[in-house]
Amino acid sequence: DTGVSQNPRHKITKRGQNVTFRCDPISEHNRLYWYRQTLGQGPEFLTYFQNEAQLEKSRLLSDRFSAERPKGSFSTLEIQRTEQGDSAMYLCASSFSLGPIGETQYFGPGTRLLVL
Amino acid sequence: KNEVEQSPQNLTAQEGEFITINCSYSVGISALHWLQQHPGGGIVSLFMLSSGKKKHGRLIATINIQEKHSSLHITASHPRDSAVYICAVILNTGNQFYFGTGTSLTVIP
Repeated sequence: DTGVSQNPRHKITKRGQNVTFRCDPISEHNRLYWYRQTLGQGPEFLTYFQNEAQLEKSRLLSDRFSAERPKGSFSTLEIQRTEQGDSAMYLCASSFSLGPIGETQYFGPGTRLLVL
Repeated sequence: KNEVEQSPQNLTAQEGEFITINCSYSVGISALHWLQQHPGGGIVSLFMLSSGKKKHGRLIATINIQEKHSSLHITASHPRDSAVYICAVILNTGNQFYFGTGTSLTVIP
């Protein structure tokens, strides 16, 4: 399977714990996006990378959230001191583009987080 | 108020019906996406539009930049079209996405 993969698919944690999610994009894609989706809502943009550079961060991304893409391939999204409001589906998408954003993105299956 | 509004929120249709889902936005955009999300979360990008009209199989997407409105049409609907359809816009002022809350479509055999 050469699509976007995310791990883990599900995560249950206690409030206050740290969690880390991983996204492996399609191999030749230079852009990688993170989104959050709560039940009944559309996805919310969190951040995106072009190669290893983080080019944009939403105001939704509080200090407890950090994302990295150290070698321009896979990316990690870490949430520190989780809160119940962090419970959501975290989606990753990748694409290839050398121009402004707006290109077709390919989404992964998501990581569903439940904070108890 | 959301920057992107979709209507209807829920739609039930009989197999074979022509379906229209609408998206209105209040910001200046460089492009608009229509996405399809199946139960379980998988999202597929259907169209990316910056003007005019695109067609892919039974799906047609149109956009009117002046009116800040886009429509997604499904001809000869089929139960496998049942999914949530999401409109997303990319601002022309920078690298920001805004998404609608989605339209949940159920096509009954």
